[in-house]
Amino acid sequence: GENVEQHPSTLSVQEGDSAVIKCTYSDSASNYFPWYKQELGKGPQLIIDIRSNVGEKKDQRIAVTLNKTAKHFSLHITETQPEDSAVYFCAASRFGNEKLTFGTGTRLTIIP
Amino acid sequence: GAGVSQSPSNKVTEKGKDVELRCDPISGHTALYWYRQSLGQGLEFLIYFQGNSAPDKSGLPSDRFSAERTGGSVSTLTIQRTQQEDSAVYLCASRAGGGDTQYFGPGTRLTVL
Repeated sequence: GENVEQHPSTLSVQEGDSAVIKCTYSDSASNYFPWYKQELGKGPQLIIDIRSNVGEKKDQRIAVTLNKTAKHFSLHITETQPEDSAVYFCAASRFGNEKLTFGTGTRLTIIP
Repeated sequence: GAGVSQSPSNKVTEKGKDVELRCDPISGHTALYWYRQSLGQGLEFLIYFQGNSAPDKSGLPSDRFSAERTGGSVSTLTIQRTQQEDSAVYLCASRAGGGDTQYFGPGTRLTVL
């Protein structure tokens, strides 16, 4: 089955700086890669996703890049703000509608 | 509109007791998923319902775990003879037919004493 590894497990950045979180996956048939943000006591919330036919996708301060050959994808957050502090999870699945396999999460702390 | 709701938000039970966790998906969503999140860990897939198809139960950790989805809407996850290792947050997600995004509920925190 699919295996998703995520690094780093914790990340602290100064407010205004950029944050990068990286994930690798094992199943070459995976073609859908969402990123979720989870705040304390809440369920995960989708922040951005990418399909395997696209190399990069941006949404304001958030971007995701995908390298199918190397089987890794990354989340980039620019101009970080205190409200970006949360746990971020990457995930992968086939066809985009099957079960998601999640990474173990990255706790991002923005230092004011 | 209303999101995915789950009840109860917290459940404390004694080892050996049965528990039922409820999920109300977003209205009209045909797919429903259950995941488990242990302390400080990622989300682990449990079971997946899609319309009238047979559910994908491949993630259920033991035969003590079962789930139903009645009328294509509400789902109940049942854990029989609970064990301490069952303590976790149980998350439900739903997805619209033809869509990719899974929308998660707030979860039920289960504590087995």
